[in-house]
Amino acid sequence: GESVGLHLPTLSVQEGDNSIINCAYSNSASDYFIWYKQESGKGPQFIIDIRSNMDKRQGQRVTVLLNKTVKHLSLQIAATQPGDSAVYFCAENIGNDMRFGAGTRLTVKP
Amino acid sequence: DVKVTQSSRYLVKRTGEKVFLECVQDMDHENMFWYRQDPGLGLRLIYFSYDVKMKEKGDIPEGYSVSREKKERFSLILESASTNQTSMYLCATKTRYNQPQHFGDGTRLSIL
Repeated sequence: GESVGLHLPTLSVQEGDNSIINCAYSNSASDYFIWYKQESGKGPQFIIDIRSNMDKRQGQRVTVLLNKTVKHLSLQIAATQPGDSAVYFCAENIGNDMRFGAGTRLTVKP
Repeated sequence: DVKVTQSSRYLVKRTGEKVFLECVQDMDHENMFWYRQDPGLGLRLIYFSYDVKMKEKGDIPEGYSVSREKKERFSLILESASTNQTSMYLCATKTRYNQPQHFGDGTRLSIL
């Protein structure tokens, strides 16, 4: 499944499928990007980050892709599990100023 | 692991009260932040501090003040609480440039 950031605030996928969550950022001068996961009743939790001199970074089951040409960031989650159900949002950083997207709610169906 | 502790998970106060929200971190981070989170609006920065006794206004400082007397503690103060300050309040810390912010679990504040 794939979302288009703020224009599709919910994403529902089947357990075991791959998920793709997208984010359009606003400032071409942003040089650092972060994905956060926020579960119900908890604060945002850092997942993965990427600097502007890279276009791809992989973690455990997660991959972040950065396309600076179109100011687009995506988070790919492999083999999505029920524990991945949460709100995911991106953040862009310029100096000490960090801007957050409103988020996409990911629901994993068993 | 970074630990950011917010003093209350849930708080109910009355209009006109002075409200204190406390945040403590254990990682010696220089930078600390206060956000509010409202549905559909994302995280909005209220105030931040980059050192002891230093503070800077964020995007929505009106009706709030902050205090940072010690490096590990950053307090948010609602001078005279109003119903439009009902929200989830999140504290975050960061060590330096191009590092992630680490968040507490938030305080859900209701002003009646």
